[in-house]
Amino acid sequence: GQQLNQSPQSMFIQEGEDVSMNCTSSSIFNTWLWYKQDPGEGPVLLIALYKAGELTSNGRLTAQFGITRKDSFLNISASIPSDVGIYFCAGQLHTGFQKLVFGTGTRLLVSP
Amino acid sequence: DAGVIQSPRHEVTEMGQEVTLRCKPISGHNSLFWYRQTMMRGLELLIYFNNNVPIDDSGMPEDRFSAKMPNASFSTLKIQPSEPRDSAVYFCASKNGAGYQPQHFGDGTRLSIL
Repeated sequence: GQQLNQSPQSMFIQEGEDVSMNCTSSSIFNTWLWYKQDPGEGPVLLIALYKAGELTSNGRLTAQFGITRKDSFLNISASIPSDVGIYFCAGQLHTGFQKLVFGTGTRLLVSP
Repeated sequence: DAGVIQSPRHEVTEMGQEVTLRCKPISGHNSLFWYRQTMMRGLELLIYFNNNVPIDDSGMPEDRFSAKMPNASFSTLKIQPSEPRDSAVYFCASKNGAGYQPQHFGDGTRLSIL
């Protein structure tokens, strides 16, 4: 099935560093979502973006909906060990049954 | 609030056996999705229900897979007969169909077919 291009594939950083990851698509989406998946658990919604150009924060997380509607990025500031996990972007259309198309994931490791 | 509840969390069974995975969506959500996650293919949508009716099952891999939603609070995904290549983590997600609400995921069932 279709997947979005997400980069980087993995990151290994020191605690306290900022992190940036992005997602690009050849198609336009009406909504961009960012999920985090911890080992052995399901994806948990972090941020939802509904408008092109929108910039939204959730604590140390900030995400933006690209102006072309074909991309989105997620920033994590001052990373901490519990930020470890896999981060997925997902694009959602507002037609049909609003199917989600997921990115390939970014695996984040944080060293204390 | 209770999230999406899946059972069992882990299932190990032998090839050829029937496997039934269960899902209880978030109360009030009228859309339900079954996904399969593997390292090779990531998250794949298997089937989508709206108001208990299957709308799109084009992601169901083959006839060995079937899904039902007898009421608004329960869905099953069945594999019969199971094969080793069915080993994966299976997720159920639900959403409120009104507006453009995001999907919320359960913690999944890790299935191993020996």
